[in-house]
Amino acid sequence: ETGVTQTPRHLVMGMTNKKSLKCEQHLGHNAMYWYKQSAKKPLELMFVYSLEERVENNSVPSRFSPECPNSSHLFLHLHTLQPEDSALYLCASSQDPAGSKRDTQYFGPGTRLTVL
Amino acid sequence: DQQVKQNSPSLSVQEGRISILNCDYTNSMFDYFLWYKKYPAEGPTFLISISSIKDKNEDGRFTVFLNKSAKHLSLHIVPSQPGDSAVYFCAASGVSNSGYALNFGKGTSLLVTP
Repeated sequence: ETGVTQTPRHLVMGMTNKKSLKCEQHLGHNAMYWYKQSAKKPLELMFVYSLEERVENNSVPSRFSPECPNSSHLFLHLHTLQPEDSALYLCASSQDPAGSKRDTQYFGPGTRLTVL
Repeated sequence: DQQVKQNSPSLSVQEGRISILNCDYTNSMFDYFLWYKKYPAEGPTFLISISSIKDKNEDGRFTVFLNKSAKHLSLHIVPSQPGDSAVYFCAASGVSNSGYALNFGKGTSLLVTP
C-alpha cells in the first residue's frame, strides 16, 4: 500500500449505529487530518493531529470522535449521527507537524457515508 | 464566511486549447496557495503550489499565477487534454489557532472535450 488509504470506501448506517472510519498513511508523515465534504460546499476541516496529539477541533459535534493511536493511523468514531452528516469524509496527511509551516497535504480516497 | 472562492462551478474547454481556472481569496494573511485535482471516487491529489513571494510557478503543462494585490490566482493548463477533466480545488494556507491550515474553495469542474 502506498500513500493514504481509507476504509471503508462506502458506509451506510442508521442513526443509532456506531461505526468507525479508518485512515492509514504510508508516507512517514507527522500530521493527519479529517475533512468533511458535503455537496456543493468546500472541504471543511474537522480535526488535526500533529505528532499524535490533537491540535485542532473545529467545533465538530461530539457525535464525531477522533482517535490517533500512532503517527500512521487515524480513526473517526461515529455514533448517533444525523442524516445531514451524510458526506464524503476525507483523511489527509502532511510531512511536517501541523502548523509548523506551510505544507502540502496528501489525501486519501475518502469514505462516502450515508446516514439513514 | 468563505475565504477562498471559485466563482465558476464548471468550465468546458476543447482539447488542445488553454484551460484557465480562477480563484479569489479574501484573507491578506494567506501566503501559500495550492491547487488540487479530484477525480470521481478519489481523494484530491496535489497538483501545484505557489508561495506569496512568487507570482508564477510552472510545472509542465500547469502554470499557477498569483496576483497578490488583487488577491487572485489562476491555474493555466495548456494544452488541455481529455484526461484533465476533473474537479479542481484551490486552497490557501493561512494562520489558524494551531498554526497553518488549508482553506479550500468549492471547486471548478473542468471538462475537456475531444
